Amino acid sequence: EVQLVESGGGLAQPGRSLRLSCSASGFTFDDYGMHWVRQAPGKGLEWVSGISWNSGNIVYADSVKGRFTISRDNAKNSLYLQMNSLRPEDMALYYCVKDIHGSAAGDGFDIWGQGTLVTVSS
Amino acid sequence: QSALTQPPSVSGSPGQSVTISCTGTSSDVGRYDRVSWYQKTPGTAPKLMIYDVSNRPSGVPDRFSGSKSGNTASLTISGLQAEDEGDYYCCSHTRKSTLVFGGGTKLTVL
Repeated sequence: EVQLVESGGGLAQPGRSLRLSCSASGFTFDDYGMHWVRQAPGKGLEWVSGISWNSGNIVYADSVKGRFTISRDNAKNSLYLQMNSLRPEDMALYYCVKDIHGSAAGDGFDIWGQGTLVTVSS
Repeated sequence: QSALTQPPSVSGSPGQSVTISCTGTSSDVGRYDRVSWYQKTPGTAPKLMIYDVSNRPSGVPDRFSGSKSGNTASLTISGLQAEDEGDYYCCSHTRKSTLVFGGGTKLTVL
């Protein structure tokens, strides 16, 4: 079964850090680009970051650039998002998402995890 | 990067057709044939309905179709069914090599 399972969400104070993880199974992980997409409570979807199959191309939304770092470990079929200097506006459900292609171009996101909730509050 | 512009809501009766628009700029929707559409229902993860403007993934009914003209992409759902209710989001590649979603459209089947 093709599956993405996120973990690492939780409560963090403003200015602190969290590291999200995503474990992939059921497909050849290192053939595909991967992304993080978030949805704040009551809001729409927001793309956060993407990484190509070989980590050669990494892109970020302006809202997280310089604070968040995406990475992947193809040997472990895992995707990560290191989130530093968290802000209240980063509070959201974070989805791990598979690209339909190997690049990080985001032509289509065909597999989504169930999400991990990040709460930023003092 | 500003969000792509979608109507907040659309509605239609079963069997009818509805079209959801997604307006961007010459730096995103108008520049690339890399627009995708997602259906989201409460408590579930988004589902890919259309990619690369007009391609349907396997398993998506052919009642769903996508198109683009200039800076505006569109998702058309024909033969509307109750199960089509939900929020629909468009997404486009941008000139900065980032991605941007639309604000979402709530589809109500009357």
